[in-house]
Amino acid sequence: DGGITQSPKYLFRKEGQNVTLSCEQNLNHDAMYWYRQDPGQGLRLIYYSQIVNDFQKGDIAEGYSVSREKKESFPLTVTSAQKNPTAFYLCASSKDPAKNIQYFGAGTRLSVL
Amino acid sequence: GQQLNQSPQSMFIQEGEDVSMNCTSSSIFNTWLWYKQDPGEGPVLLIALYKAGELTSNGRLTAQFGITRKDSFLNISASIPSDVGIYFCAGVNYGGSQGNLIFGKGTKLSVKP
Repeated sequence: DGGITQSPKYLFRKEGQNVTLSCEQNLNHDAMYWYRQDPGQGLRLIYYSQIVNDFQKGDIAEGYSVSREKKESFPLTVTSAQKNPTAFYLCASSKDPAKNIQYFGAGTRLSVL
Repeated sequence: GQQLNQSPQSMFIQEGEDVSMNCTSSSIFNTWLWYKQDPGEGPVLLIALYKAGELTSNGRLTAQFGITRKDSFLNISASIPSDVGIYFCAGVNYGGSQGNLIFGKGTKLSVKP
């Protein structure tokens, strides 16, 4: 089945540790996105990528990093510089970055130990 | 920046009742999207609207693209318990650097059997 796969579903981070969230899509979509969702809040854009080997900062990029080495994959690293990483992280993709109809994965919940 | 005002913030209704929610903006959009998010899952696209005045249905859901292009409405008829979740509106501005998908903060729907 075509879709967007995020892993793991749950992730725990220790103090000072970097962790990487995986996002893979087999929809042949050009653009991919990472959002952060806090309880009772809307979605805030962290990073996005419209083509391979290129990505742009969103509204809250500080403390995060990404790479886009393959069209299908857009991993997000939450670095130790992100002091408040506990949140629900959502990955999305769209076929046409201009029209931007985005489809989402099931999310990864990150907690701090 | 652009913002969407989504209302109501939450609703608690009886099974079988009809539901209405809306999104408004001070800016115009080229596309309006409506998503539903179940607890612990990613948002699922319900309806996409592409033209001012457009009225589109998906089962018991009906959404409209406002004539001014600054608002959109979602109606759910004869609500059932599985309608519980958070409903997000999103607007797309083709002129934005990233396609510019802007999200509302969501309407949390609770249904009493």
